[in-house]
Amino acid sequence: DTEVTQTPKHLVMGMTNKKSLKCEQHMGHRAMYWYKQKAKKPPELMFVYSYEKLSINESVPSRFSPECPNSSLLNLHLHALQPEDSALYLCASSQDLNRNQETQYFGPGTRLLVL
Amino acid sequence: DAKTTQPPSMDCAEGRAANLPCNHSTISGNEYVYWYRQIHSQGPQYIIHGLKNNETNEMASLIITEDRKSSTLILPHATLRDTAVYYCIVRGTGGFKTIFGAGTRLFVKA
Repeated sequence: DTEVTQTPKHLVMGMTNKKSLKCEQHMGHRAMYWYKQKAKKPPELMFVYSYEKLSINESVPSRFSPECPNSSLLNLHLHALQPEDSALYLCASSQDLNRNQETQYFGPGTRLLVL
Repeated sequence: DAKTTQPPSMDCAEGRAANLPCNHSTISGNEYVYWYRQIHSQGPQYIIHGLKNNETNEMASLIITEDRKSSTLILPHATLRDTAVYYCIVRGTGGFKTIFGAGTRLFVKA
């Protein structure tokens, strides 16, 4: 099973709202990732977690707050977003960060619209 | 990680082989070539990866040149469902930053 699930599939929020995106995998992977993808552009890395600890933050604004409560779950908390934050948010996981080759498995994404 | 160059778009007739090229002339000896694809509005899907030998799985074949400066992804019998953006990515040791380039938009036509 190479499934990564993401909820919700779609989300519409106002600029003053607080919402959360959820990602789950049951493959025993210890690395999890958040990507942002604007229309007609490739995915861009936002955060990387390894063994439930934040390893990489690609200079993402603080209105995006990641959380990894356990090895199977990854959340992205959203607060005071801007319309330009509207995008497809992708979660991915891989077995580990420290192997020479590492295949990432992606979820279907959450399509976010900020009004 | 080395940079990759891919044609922006390609067409392929249904049932024919689709050959997608990728140039990675600055690749280092320990860097792997990975291919993913993304069907419209879905998450990227892993296809195949290799270091220097040619690889084949149930989805595709990966041909890497002897000097490793380029590779070709081959979909042996393309179907309409193979229409997608195909990303060629080079990753090395500790290369957990999967950097996606612009990719190749493959159109499979009936």
